[in-house]
Amino acid sequence: QQQVKQSPQSLIVQKGGISIINCAYENTAFDYFPWYQQFPGKGPALLIAIRPDVSEKKEGRFTISFNKSAKQFSLHIMDSQPGDSATYFCAASHSSTGNQFYFGTGTSLTVIP
Amino acid sequence: GAVVSQHPSRVICKSGTSVKIECRSLDFQATTMFWYRQFPKQSLMLMATSNEGSKATYEQGVEKDKFLINHASLTLSTLTVTSAHPEDSSFYICSAGGQGPTEAFFGQGTRLTVV
Repeated sequence: QQQVKQSPQSLIVQKGGISIINCAYENTAFDYFPWYQQFPGKGPALLIAIRPDVSEKKEGRFTISFNKSAKQFSLHIMDSQPGDSATYFCAASHSSTGNQFYFGTGTSLTVIP
Repeated sequence: GAVVSQHPSRVICKSGTSVKIECRSLDFQATTMFWYRQFPKQSLMLMATSNEGSKATYEQGVEKDKFLINHASLTLSTLTVTSAHPEDSSFYICSAGGQGPTEAFFGQGTRLTVV
């Protein structure tokens, strides 16, 4: 059973546009929600993360919006650049399992010049 | 930030042989490491949790006799794919962390191709 659901599967955005990727989860025990960026042939790299006690976190062009009641969170990439083209995974974990993550299915983002 | 090194990055082996993949935490001690498998254009699926000094914990459906995990020290975990077959071809990724999820870091992955 997929514990974290992610959409869309793929996304094409014009340079300078906003990329939005959405995730939903069921397990209310999750208390840490990171987003990872992965380039082909590489391992995932942490992009930004949020805990459920805040509704939004911003780091540079990347923002996570978190809706605890809806059990949803999303990644917004402002002023998208061709270098942002990669696969993005949302994930979730809970304190009792330490560093074990449940990943979404991934979104392939293509930013066209 | 902390670095997790995985070796080799690519390996091609013949069907029936065994392949060992190493995962090292370079600048911190990791009591727990995780091994994931990723098929093309798919998500990372947790295979097993590697615990230093004890047996690994495998996820349901993962054959522990086929995917041998050894966590001999606080900085090294190894995954050995035994009697590899073409269906074992995949991208294997390890992660290691400190006390909590904010301290988890991923290796660069190993592309295994079994011919």
